[in-house]
Amino acid sequence: DVKVTQSSRYLVKRTGEKVFLECVQDMDHENMFWYRQDPGLGLRLIYFSYDVKMKEKGDIPEGYSVSREKKERFSLILESASTNQTSMYLCASSRDSTGELFFGEGSRLTVL
Amino acid sequence: RKEVEQDPGPFNVPEGATVAFNCTYSNSASQSFFWYRQDCRKEPKLLMSVYSSGNEDGRFTAQLNRASQYISLLIRDSKLSDSATYLCVVSLNTGGFKTIFGAGTRLFVKA
Repeated sequence: DVKVTQSSRYLVKRTGEKVFLECVQDMDHENMFWYRQDPGLGLRLIYFSYDVKMKEKGDIPEGYSVSREKKERFSLILESASTNQTSMYLCASSRDSTGELFFGEGSRLTVL
Repeated sequence: RKEVEQDPGPFNVPEGATVAFNCTYSNSASQSFFWYRQDCRKEPKLLMSVYSSGNEDGRFTAQLNRASQYISLLIRDSKLSDSATYLCVVSLNTGGFKTIFGAGTRLFVKA
């Protein structure tokens, strides 16, 4: 059974803190994605990666960075969290462009 | 202009109704097309891929018109369990494959 696991379901952080969101997939997928989902805005792509150590900016990369040191792991980093980064963060992986995206359960981040 | 635009919702329909969702995309280089379903407080899951020839899966029919950059989803004989948000998704090659979601259309099916 396919599995995408996000390290934390709920996080509460303070403004200015560094935040790490971890995502691991067990399907040997090439592509991994980070989205944020906000009411009325849908899922917006932050960053994606199509290979180890490769990354591309999505539509809203500002304030975020990513790391993909191993194929199965894709991390999202907020260097200095701000209140406008309060959101649901969803990680996904896919085998290729014609394939299905598999999502983790999401990480709900609140920045106070 | 958003890369993927969908009908604003919500759609409220009775059981047994036929409901149609529409979606347009702006990038003509888009290569793959999908409909996803997202239940409340859950992650999105693939409903079906969309092909130029059109495709059907039970009560669900998806169509793609590349010339008009338009995608549709038709649900026949709606069930209460069809209540969810339906997301239009396109994927394009930018070196890697960038996958873009529409904002979604909420469907409520009522008894």
